[in-house]
Formats: sequence, structure tokens, C-alpha cells
Amino acid sequence: AQSVTQPDIHITVSEGASLELRCNYSYGATPYLFWYVQSPGQGLQLLLKYFSGDTLVQGIKGFEAEFKRSQSSFNLRKPSVHWSDAAEYFCAVGARAGTALIFGKGTTLSVSS
Amino acid sequence: DGGITQSPKYLFRKEGQNVTLSCEQNLNHDAMYWYRQDPGQGLRLIYYSQIVNDFQKGDIAEGYSVSREKKESFPLTVTSAQKNPTAFYLCASSEQSGYGYTFGSGTRLTVV
Repeated sequence: AQSVTQPDIHITVSEGASLELRCNYSYGATPYLFWYVQSPGQGLQLLLKYFSGDTLVQGIKGFEAEFKRSQSSFNLRKPSVHWSDAAEYFCAVGARAGTALIFGKGTTLSVSS
Repeated sequence: DGGITQSPKYLFRKEGQNVTLSCEQNLNHDAMYWYRQDPGQGLRLIYYSQIVNDFQKGDIAEGYSVSREKKESFPLTVTSAQKNPTAFYLCASSEQSGYGYTFGSGTRLTVV
């Protein structure tokens, strides 16, 4: 069965420091991979997605993620975090057409000044 | 602008009452989904629909029901059989199943 693991429940980063949020997935073939961000009490916004091709994908708000098939990972990175990046981040995996996305349990990012 | 609208934003109901959450999209998306979000649990799939008049159960469908009579609409009914209905409910849509979603802003249901 497909699954997504986000090992870190909560991460605190200083403003201006770099960020890496981890995501590991379990799936038999090449999955579709996504990162979403959620502000408190709001819906989720798509940051970036990977379907195929270049394994380093660029997203909105200065985020990027790298697909590593050998490690079954799709980690999210940002070189310099801003206070407005504080939110909850979800990794998701999509399988073949006809199924729904599976989400990880999320990582809460706090940004300290 | 196209988007997905959930209403109401906050909903309070007495225990034992059925309640229906609205989800409408004008993106011309074929697929629609309902997820439940609880603190520390991530998003758990309740139901999804790939086309009109067809839907599939997700991981936690017990105590919920849906309908898909129109492409634009996918209402969720939380029935009295749902043991712990207090949660944040998110509706989403996509062009095809498995592709990236557009989410609504959610409905927070509190049962007292």
C-alpha cells in the first residue's frame, strides 16, 4: 500500500536560515509527488509537484524539492526562511489515475527571530 | 476567478443530528474529494468522486455519505452514526484523480 512519512512533527528555524523538510514515500512505481502548505484554519496551497523528468523541481515562494528514487524521498528545501513561512507543510503521493492523494501527517514549521 | 467554495466556514450541531457540508467548484474539474483533518493526524480521505453519479469510499467513510449529482457540487453529510464528528473538513478538486488538488478553505464542524 502507498504511504507517506514525514519524520519531523515540528521544526524551528531561525529567520534567514536554510530549511529542509523531509518526506519519504512507499510506492511500487514512480509516483506523483506534491508539497502543500497550510496556514492555520485555512485550506492547503500547492507549493510544487513532481510528475516526471528533472528531479529538482521549483515551486512558489522560493521553495524547491528533489526527487531521489533510490532513497524514496522528496525533501522540500528553501535557502532562506522568512517569518511568513511559518505554517504546516504536507507531503503527498499520488498513484495511478483513479485513486486519491495520500498525505503525510504534516510538519509544523516555526520561524524564530 | 475559478475556485472551490466550502460553506459554512463554522458549523455547530447537537449530537445525534445529521449535518451537510457544502462544496462547490467552478474549475470544471472532474474529480472531487473530501478529507478530514484532526490535529497530528494529517488529512484522511473520506470519499472521492471521479465523475458525476459515481463515488468511492476512502479510509474513513463510516458515518458519512456523499452525492455527486452535478459536476460542480459534492456535498458531504455527517450522520449521527459518526462517532466523533468534531473536526476540520476539507474539500478538494482536480482535473483527474491523482493529480494536484485545489482545496477549499475548509469547514470546522463542532458537535456539542
